[in-house]
Amino acid sequence: GAVVSQHPSRVICKSGTSVKIECRSLDFQATTMFWYRQFPKQSLMLMATSNEGSKATYEQGVEKDKFLINHASLTLSTLTVTSAHPEDSSFYICSARGGHPNAEAFFGQGTRLTVV
Amino acid sequence: QKEVEQNSGPLSVPEGAIASLNCTYSDRGSQSFFWYRQYSGKSPELIMSIYSNGDKEDGRFTAQLNKASQYVSLLIRDSQPSDSATYLCAVNDSNYQLIWGAGTKLIIKP
Repeated sequence: GAVVSQHPSRVICKSGTSVKIECRSLDFQATTMFWYRQFPKQSLMLMATSNEGSKATYEQGVEKDKFLINHASLTLSTLTVTSAHPEDSSFYICSARGGHPNAEAFFGQGTRLTVV
Repeated sequence: QKEVEQNSGPLSVPEGAIASLNCTYSDRGSQSFFWYRQYSGKSPELIMSIYSNGDKEDGRFTAQLNKASQYVSLLIRDSQPSDSATYLCAVNDSNYQLIWGAGTKLIIKP
């Protein structure tokens, strides 16, 4: 399958600071990227969908000014958690899909964010 | 509200037996269907994709799709303890939105 690389895998930050998470498709062009959040023992929760060169579409209840998503190229999307608080601590996972909209989506390794 | 339904489990299966995981979806216009496996603390990984009615086999895994009944299933033959994980069903609906099931926890008992 295709490779999606996500960095960092773990990050600890202080409350009030910002954290940037990168998601790269290494061997295909990702026309669509998805950002998810997952709390322990819970389901994946879609935060936003982004298409290359367009503004991200955020799911209801996700603050777009707090979770900044940039999808400036066909191989890179970033999620910035601004003014992080302890309740933002979670497992953030990106997923990328290329080509036809019916194509498979591949996941990055995930980023475990801890806000102290 | 378009939905994908899975039994949350846990589904317990003896080692060597066949594990059967099921998923139903509400949007009759859905076009592509995926099974992912997620180990605890890890991100999901794609196991199978299926696009047309019938069976699709890949090693010990077989995906089955029945669009008339709106269900998709995953069979795991010769189950191994390493197959213990949460299995996620995902469906691309008629608007190409990827809709996720909540997942079924599978436990393979040695």
